[in-house]
Amino acid sequence: DTEVTQTPKHLVMGMTNKKSLKCEQHLGHNAMYWYKQKAKKPPELMFVYSYEKLSINESVPSRFSPECPNSSLLNLHLHALQPEDSALYLCASSQAWRSVQPQHFGDGTRLSIL
Amino acid sequence: EDQVTQSPEALRLQEGESSSLNCSYTVSGLRGLFWYRQDPGKGPEFLFTLYSAGEEKEKERLKATLTKKESFLHITAPKPEDSATYLCAVRVTQGGSEKLVFGKGTKLTVNP
Repeated sequence: DTEVTQTPKHLVMGMTNKKSLKCEQHLGHNAMYWYKQKAKKPPELMFVYSYEKLSINESVPSRFSPECPNSSLLNLHLHALQPEDSALYLCASSQAWRSVQPQHFGDGTRLSIL
Repeated sequence: EDQVTQSPEALRLQEGESSSLNCSYTVSGLRGLFWYRQDPGKGPEFLFTLYSAGEEKEKERLKATLTKKESFLHITAPKPEDSATYLCAVRVTQGGSEKLVFGKGTKLTVNP
């Protein structure tokens, strides 16, 4: 069983739609991450939350809006996306942001922008 | 600039044919090197963490080693189910913040 759960698994949306990606971790971790992964490329960091506070924003466009309602949940709100935003969006968690403990990933949401 | 380079980009092996994947890095402030396995359409699955030169970790047919400039993932007598993309990532400190820097991965195919 995956201990980091992402929903939905697949999402198709138009450029004018608003949607949200959800992530839940059951590991008791205090840091959560959003990554974007294009085909045949490595994951690229987007955001880091540490103890429910945004710690890193890797210059991500404002059409991506993260939210961390509590230490177990992480959302990514999407609005007015572009076709180039089509990718696999991965959520990860780790014991703490500045810890050397590994990050554990969910299976991602495959996002397609029409 | 922190860089992680994996080689080869792709590797085809026959079942039982042992080999090694390489991850070389040029980083300042290394705080751990991580190996992940990623199957198509899935998220990366954590395999190993290595912290210091000389360290080795093993799990089933996989063995990871670390030197001051590179890491190797040795695969002994691989099976078709070992087919996946193997990602190497290093944890670095950049401008007061910390992040994982990933290599581009090695796609391993093991033929029966």
